[in-house]
Amino acid sequence: GQNIDQPTEMTATEGAIVQINCTYQTSGFNGLFWYQQHAGEAPTFLSYNVLDGLEEKGRFSSFLSRSKGYSYLLLKELQMKDSASYLCAVMDSNYQLIWGAGTKLIIKP
Amino acid sequence: ETGVTQTPRHLVMGMTNKKSLKCEQHLGHNAMYWYKQSAKKPLELMFVYNFKEQTENNSVPSRFSPECPNSSHLFLHLHTLQPEDSALYLCASSQDSGSYNEQFFGPGTRLTVL
Repeated sequence: GQNIDQPTEMTATEGAIVQINCTYQTSGFNGLFWYQQHAGEAPTFLSYNVLDGLEEKGRFSSFLSRSKGYSYLLLKELQMKDSASYLCAVMDSNYQLIWGAGTKLIIKP
Repeated sequence: ETGVTQTPRHLVMGMTNKKSLKCEQHLGHNAMYWYKQSAKKPLELMFVYNFKEQTENNSVPSRFSPECPNSSHLFLHLHTLQPEDSALYLCASSQDSGSYNEQFFGPGTRLTVL
């Protein structure tokens, strides 16, 4: 079967760094997505990785290792507005997105 | 504002009611999706339309009936739902469904079935 695992909840301090991990087992791989979803709002696209390595975009970076079936989202200089759920999703061989259950990130002052 | 709108934002219905959810995208995309989001569970893909043709139906019960009259509009018709159908229903769109394409989501309809 297809499976995406990510922690249910994480807590971090304002101004700090947090890493949210995602491991996956899917039938085929056409890239990995990270989305951010604030409570009561639409998920919004953060990043897409299809090749191994680190992609940096401002305070957010995303890493992929296809051989390990592993990705992480790194958030630096945390701000209160970063409190949200972070969703990991893998595009399988049929170009369908397989989603993790999301990681709820709580930022404390 | 993602360019995808959904109405209504909240809906409470009885098990014998018939209601419809509406989604509209203003992005010129050709693919549209319905997802179900339940608390602490992964997003579940329900239906996919590509160029107005339904390409996926992920074993969704017949009490959910999609309709895609054109590439900009998508409906989900609801009939004789069960309490376990209570969830957030998200609509999304992308350029097309057959390759890498970022999906843009609407804010969702929070459905409660009594």
